[in-house]
Amino acid sequence: AQSVAQPEDQVNVAEGNPLTVKCTYSVSGNPYLFWYVQYPNRGLQFLLKYITGDNLVKGSYGFEAEFNKSQTSFHLKKPSALVSDSALYFCAVSPAYSGAGSYQLTFGKGTKLSVIP
Amino acid sequence: NAGVMQNPRHLVRRRGQEARLRCSPMKGHSHVYWYRQLPEEGLKFMVYLQKENIIDESGMPKERFSAEFPKEGPSILRIQQVVRGDSAAYFCASSPVLTLENTEAFFGQGTRLTVV
Repeated sequence: AQSVAQPEDQVNVAEGNPLTVKCTYSVSGNPYLFWYVQYPNRGLQFLLKYITGDNLVKGSYGFEAEFNKSQTSFHLKKPSALVSDSALYFCAVSPAYSGAGSYQLTFGKGTKLSVIP
Repeated sequence: NAGVMQNPRHLVRRRGQEARLRCSPMKGHSHVYWYRQLPEEGLKFMVYLQKENIIDESGMPKERFSAEFPKEGPSILRIQQVVRGDSAAYFCASSPVLTLENTEAFFGQGTRLTVV
């Protein structure tokens, strides 16, 4: 069974500073990896995903994530944080095989990001 | 182009009552997924449905929970005889195709169920 760990419940960063939200995963075979963001009273919004190819994935709102197979990590990064980035961030994994299983996402517990003005 | 619509947003039920949660997928999406988020936990997969078919219900509790996605109308997640442990946020997602290589699942705002 697959699993996702987000080791930090909360990350605080000053506006303008780079931010990192950590994610490690466990899955049989190759993974599909995703980041979603949840703003207060909103549904989860897709940010980016890694399926195959380049290990550095660029997504919405200036976010990017790097797939590191040896460390089984998929950390979310942004060079310069904005106050509006404050939200709850979820990392998710799905096993990368065709057929019935590739839709089933396993999520981490989420990391609350607070960007301080 | 409305996103995934869930209603109600908040639902309070007494122990033993029934809870019905509704999900209207995005236009053109025929695949619906339900996830549950318990307090202090990540989202857990419950069930995957296509129109009139349950494809995978491996994450559904064996008793009291059921889901449907009729030919017409929204998908319904039904919880009979609710207990306090059912209190959670229930999220619905939809996608146009089965696999996630070329798309992603779009999530609704969730229904927060509180059992008192």
